Amino acid sequence: AQSVTQLDSHVSVSEGTPVLLRCNYSSSYSPSLFWYVQHPNKGLQLLLKYTSAATLVKGINGFEAEFKKSETSFHLTKPSAHMSDAAEYFCVVSGGSARQLTFGSGTQLTVLP
Amino acid sequence: DTAVSQTPKYLVTQMGNDKSIKCEQNLGHDTMYWYKQDSKKFLKIMFSYNNKELIINETVPNRFSPKSPDKAHLNLHINSLELGDSAVYFCASSQERGLDYGYTFGSGTRLTVV
Repeated sequence: AQSVTQLDSHVSVSEGTPVLLRCNYSSSYSPSLFWYVQHPNKGLQLLLKYTSAATLVKGINGFEAEFKKSETSFHLTKPSAHMSDAAEYFCVVSGGSARQLTFGSGTQLTVLP
Repeated sequence: DTAVSQTPKYLVTQMGNDKSIKCEQNLGHDTMYWYKQDSKKFLKIMFSYNNKELIINETVPNRFSPKSPDKAHLNLHINSLELGDSAVYFCASSQERGLDYGYTFGSGTRLTVV
């Protein structure tokens, strides 16, 4: 069994300030973890993924995430927010023979000018 | 070239109708999925096919029937549509390469039942 908890349903930051989106997971397997972004009325775009290689994962658009097994966390960060980062972000865990994805409930990121 | 394409992008229909959503991937992936995103943006898997065989079938009403004519296509047919079926449906595909694998999602089909 696996589950994902995104600790904040909404995060609001000012442009140019750091972004932190928090995610905790549980899994009976050695999980793979992903962050996806969904802009309004758009599909899902992969930001980054962790698949048991380096624990600090760099993704697109300046985002990165660190896998911390002891804390069962996979928080997403970005040093400086841009207006175009405003979107819904999903933390996702995958594991088991069927490799199905289990999504978190999403975090809406608002970037203020 | 679009990697995972879904048609139609928008679908508005009346209760009781039967409709289909088509999905095609040109990535050569072995596994395809249907996910449903509800009005609160929560995403949940519905079905998964691997090489045309059903491997995941979550608790979904029998009115939903996936069909995979080949490993590049996974269509979703819905009978007797209900108001609660209104959602965004995403098709996805994946390929396992050792410990590393990735998913690619389509752009979604927004279904509105009136």
